[in-house]
Amino acid sequence: ETGVTQTPRHLVMGMTNKKSLKCEQHLGHNAMYWYKQSAKKPLELMFVYNFKEQTENNSVPSRFSPECPNSSHLFLHLHTLQPEDSALYLCASSRDYTGSTDTQYFGPGTRLTVL
Amino acid sequence: GQNIDQPTEMTATEGAIVQINCTYQTSGFNGLFWYQQHAGEAPTFLSYNVLDGLEEKGRFSSFLSRSKGYSYLLLKELQMKDSASYLCAALDSNYQLIWGAGTKLIIKP
Repeated sequence: ETGVTQTPRHLVMGMTNKKSLKCEQHLGHNAMYWYKQSAKKPLELMFVYNFKEQTENNSVPSRFSPECPNSSHLFLHLHTLQPEDSALYLCASSRDYTGSTDTQYFGPGTRLTVL
Repeated sequence: GQNIDQPTEMTATEGAIVQINCTYQTSGFNGLFWYQQHAGEAPTFLSYNVLDGLEEKGRFSSFLSRSKGYSYLLLKELQMKDSASYLCAALDSNYQLIWGAGTKLIIKP
């Protein structure tokens, strides 16, 4: 069973394009996360939503715009990206966020290439 | 600053045992996670330690020493399917996960 799904799995876009990444979790969790994973670097937390409210924005450039319409869905809207934004974008969810040791469950990621 | 150190890459032989080390420096500590990530796939949860000692789960065991800021993941009876990256992450006093860059484990026949 895939608890966290992400679409698309692969995306190639030009610097002037606008695209969106989608994440859906089927685990009944309240917290959802966007991470950026670059080769040989630690996971970078981008955004956290807890009960649909954004609780963390780790100095992410405004060309990345998150949206969380409900606790099960999370989007990352992309516009005017740079080649250095090419990476694997991972979505995760957990039961709760604040003060929590809950395990995070990840989706398979979207491999993004910016030309 | 907060930091996680783990080896970039390790190689081991099928059927053998391998230990992947992780040291952490965090402001406060609320536990340590290990995840496995096969190439092109989602990281999957392996273990969570918050108390000192060794916890065993089948072929995988995880150890924690809070006084030394040190953990390791022990994999026994290695199989080819264990070839993956292993991510270490520590929870700081604000319950933020601090991630290591991952250890790529290569298993040879």
